[in-house]
Amino acid sequence: QAVVTQDSSVTVSPGGTVTLTCGSSTGAVTIEHYPHWSQQKPGQAPKTLIYHTASKHSWTPDRFSGSLLGGKAALTLSGAQPDDEADYYCLLSYGDTRVFGGGTKLTVL
Amino acid sequence: EVDLVESGGGSVQPGRSLRLSCVTSGFTFGDYAINWVRQAPGKGLEWVGFIRSKAHGGTAEYAASLKGRFTILREDSRRTAYLQMNGLKIEDAGVYYCTRDERFFNLLTRSEYYVTDVWGHGTTVTVSS
Repeated sequence: QAVVTQDSSVTVSPGGTVTLTCGSSTGAVTIEHYPHWSQQKPGQAPKTLIYHTASKHSWTPDRFSGSLLGGKAALTLSGAQPDDEADYYCLLSYGDTRVFGGGTKLTVL
Repeated sequence: EVDLVESGGGSVQPGRSLRLSCVTSGFTFGDYAINWVRQAPGKGLEWVGFIRSKAHGGTAEYAASLKGRFTILREDSRRTAYLQMNGLKIEDAGVYYCTRDERFFNLLTRSEYYVTDVWGHGTTVTVSS
């Protein structure tokens, strides 16, 4: 089974910009991994923010964007707010199966 | 409003079985796939598997580590999906979520892909002797 890698923790200043990345043990992440990004706050169910690399759901704040960067999937947060402090999980598809990354704990400080 | 509500969690001894339900409302259940994700206490998310809509075969796919013990079913008349878990192990403990997944088809690669949108609230499974 493929392994999906994410940085374990990242810190950003309020109002700052940060990029979280998601790599695959099988090689470069492409659009055909259909990357999803989900946000989970303590005690809550996750919420999917980004799908198919860069597409947003209706509830996704404009400050979040997705892309491919240097062979990885990336989630960029521009203008971080205290409410964005959460765990962020990347999900990649490998044919009929899917694998989550270990998650990145984002601290806004 | 789209909603998914999991139930059926509880405390069970190792080796026993448990069936979780995902009852849905607010959308045409039969048009969507349903996906299951779990989260061990204090750990990250783990993909469990999903079941396609009947229009696309109604078949299920599973994480390799769980294949053979877990089965995903659906009952469209009840707008409900199920996760049947057999031979439970200590490491199966955690919160189990279902999600709604919409199917798309990539014309270039001639393959399907799914978009997850709404998550359920989760149900907790404890495995302990």
